[in-house]
Amino acid sequence: NAGVTQTPKFQVLKTGQSMTLQCAQDMNHEYMSWYRQDPGMGLRLIHYSVGAGITDQGEVPNGYNVSRSTTEDFPLRLLSAAPSQTSVYFCASSLGTASGNTIYFGEGSWLTVV
Amino acid sequence: AQKVTQAQTEISVVEKEDVTLDCVYETRDTTYYLFWYKQPPSGELVFLIRRNSFDEQNEISGRYSWNFQKSTSSFNFTITASQVVDSAVYFCALSEDAGGSTLGRLYFGRGTQLTVWP
Repeated sequence: NAGVTQTPKFQVLKTGQSMTLQCAQDMNHEYMSWYRQDPGMGLRLIHYSVGAGITDQGEVPNGYNVSRSTTEDFPLRLLSAAPSQTSVYFCASSLGTASGNTIYFGEGSWLTVV
Repeated sequence: AQKVTQAQTEISVVEKEDVTLDCVYETRDTTYYLFWYKQPPSGELVFLIRRNSFDEQNEISGRYSWNFQKSTSSFNFTITASQVVDSAVYFCALSEDAGGSTLGRLYFGRGTQLTVWP
């Protein structure tokens, strides 16, 4: 799937627990992002990064934290999980921020918060 | 307001029928990009096509074709002679130019669930 790897694929959390979704790409892509997919909502952008050391908020950032210490990795942290964060999470990467660069997605991480 | 509208929530067809998935977008940018992604039952997102706003030529790839019309802000996707393996959720997405750098942000429609029956 174009070299974007997400782990874990499935996770169940209790409310209030913290966890990190891992994302790694081996294509030397500058741009990485996290989306969440909810039924009937399409995908919505959580956070994105245009390069190592640079991150910014997307459309639905609350409750999530990110960092980009290397080009390859872009972990997404849930600091205190809530049932509203039950969703499917997709990590994506692209060659750069220039318009039109194709965005490749990881295989998704299914998260359930009980 | 929704930047990308996929009015068809679900479509069911019988194998070998042709089916068209509608996508209407909204943007003020003169330069933008449109995408279609397929999400099969296994859940991954599969890139199908990217078109830029300056290229209104229709595109055909095997049984797939795309009709891009700026006059109606539409980017419709047709599957000819549908097959059971085409069953999936299909997403249309928009990337705006924003001065030459979209930051790779995609605005997604809510998706159309296509079911092809044998």
